[in-house]
Amino acid sequence: GENVEQHPSTLSVQEGDSAVIKCTYSDSASNYFPWYKQELGKGPQLIIDIRSNVGEKKDQRIAVTLNKTAKHFSLHITETQPEDSAVYFCAAKTGANNLFFGTGTRLTVIP
Amino acid sequence: SQTIHQWPATLVQPVGSPLSLECTVEGTSNPNLYWYRQAAGRGLQLLFYSVGIGQISSEVPQNLSASRPQDRQFILSSKKLLLSDSGFYLCAYGQGGQPQHFGDGTRLSIL
Repeated sequence: GENVEQHPSTLSVQEGDSAVIKCTYSDSASNYFPWYKQELGKGPQLIIDIRSNVGEKKDQRIAVTLNKTAKHFSLHITETQPEDSAVYFCAAKTGANNLFFGTGTRLTVIP
Repeated sequence: SQTIHQWPATLVQPVGSPLSLECTVEGTSNPNLYWYRQAAGRGLQLLFYSVGIGQISSEVPQNLSASRPQDRQFILSSKKLLLSDSGFYLCAYGQGGQPQHFGDGTRLSIL
């Protein structure tokens, strides 16, 4: 099955700096790569996603890049704010109804 | 608007007792429904998904079962809880083959 690895497990940045979270996947058939933000005591919320026919996607301060050849994708958050502090999960979809999740990155933005 | 409700938010149960967690969705028809478990420090693991009333697919062998008695109702059950069933359980729904919206989860502690 698919194996998704996520790094780093924790990340601290100063407010205003950029944050980058990286994931790798093993199944070359994976074709959908969402990112979720999970705040304390809440369920994950989809924040951005990318499909395998696209190399980059941007939504305001958030961007995701995908390198299909290397089988890795990354989340980029620019001009970080304290409210960006949360746990972020990447995932890869292979097959009809399953997402394989990374183990999460706890991002702390220091004011 | 679309919303997802999951309850209870927290639950403490003795080993060997039964379990029933409920999830309902509003504002959408015929969604795909999912139950995930999130262990501490780990990613989300898919337990069950359903593409329609009475249709349940299980992803991992376990002590739990799921049912979908109505289009927008998804129930996670167990006849006898084990210590290893402790965790954070998340219900989710989506259209098009992947979960898009998660509930706020149920934290289940087995004593």
